Amino acid sequence: SQQGEEDPQALSIQEGENATMNCSYKTSINNLQWYRQNSGRGLVHLILIRSNEREKHSGRLRVTLDTSKKSSSLLITASRAADTASYFCATDGGGYSTLTFGKGTMLLVSP
Amino acid sequence: GAGVSQSPSNKVTEKGKDVELRCDPISGHTALYWYRQSLGQGLEFLIYFQGNSAPDKSGLPSDRFSAERTGGSVSTLTIQRTQQEDSAVYLCASSYRGLIQGNEQFFGPGTRLTVL
Repeated sequence: SQQGEEDPQALSIQEGENATMNCSYKTSINNLQWYRQNSGRGLVHLILIRSNEREKHSGRLRVTLDTSKKSSSLLITASRAADTASYFCATDGGGYSTLTFGKGTMLLVSP
Repeated sequence: GAGVSQSPSNKVTEKGKDVELRCDPISGHTALYWYRQSLGQGLEFLIYFQGNSAPDKSGLPSDRFSAERTGGSVSTLTIQRTQQEDSAVYLCASSYRGLIQGNEQFFGPGTRLTVL
């Protein structure tokens, strides 16, 4: 079963606007990761946030984690057309376990 | 250095045939993962290797699927007697250390398998 569930499923915005994607999960985790996928092929790691962290920044990316609500959000500020992609959250189930990916949010940034 | 590479990039086969997919991880990465992604879906975990051993094969969908890794490097995923529902993009990833360390996974470009 899916551990991470992203919403919205699709998001369409204009260049320069901010994009926020959310991820909810069911079980306890060691860490949560966000990945980007272009054109249905390989994924690129964006950011990892550990269960004892609440917020993390990387360039135009801001990730928050609320373990009490079992949710995370990915904020992309000042979006660009090149940010158009699918974004996935991935969680491990705590201890030794594989990463479980959600179905992703498809982001479209229009020039 | 070079990233994760996969071959072939595309494979079209007839139902009932066997296929072999190859993954070359990043040099020095001890952990290797296989995933499957159907159209518009998330990633489905198949199998994980730590070195040459596979501590977690729980995701392999049937006994038609098998994988091996030799020399702690190259891995092959074999699908026997392919079925149409096997059509998907098969993604390989590697990481410097294993799962429990929560390391970033580096993905290859995938192999798009189409079973006619």
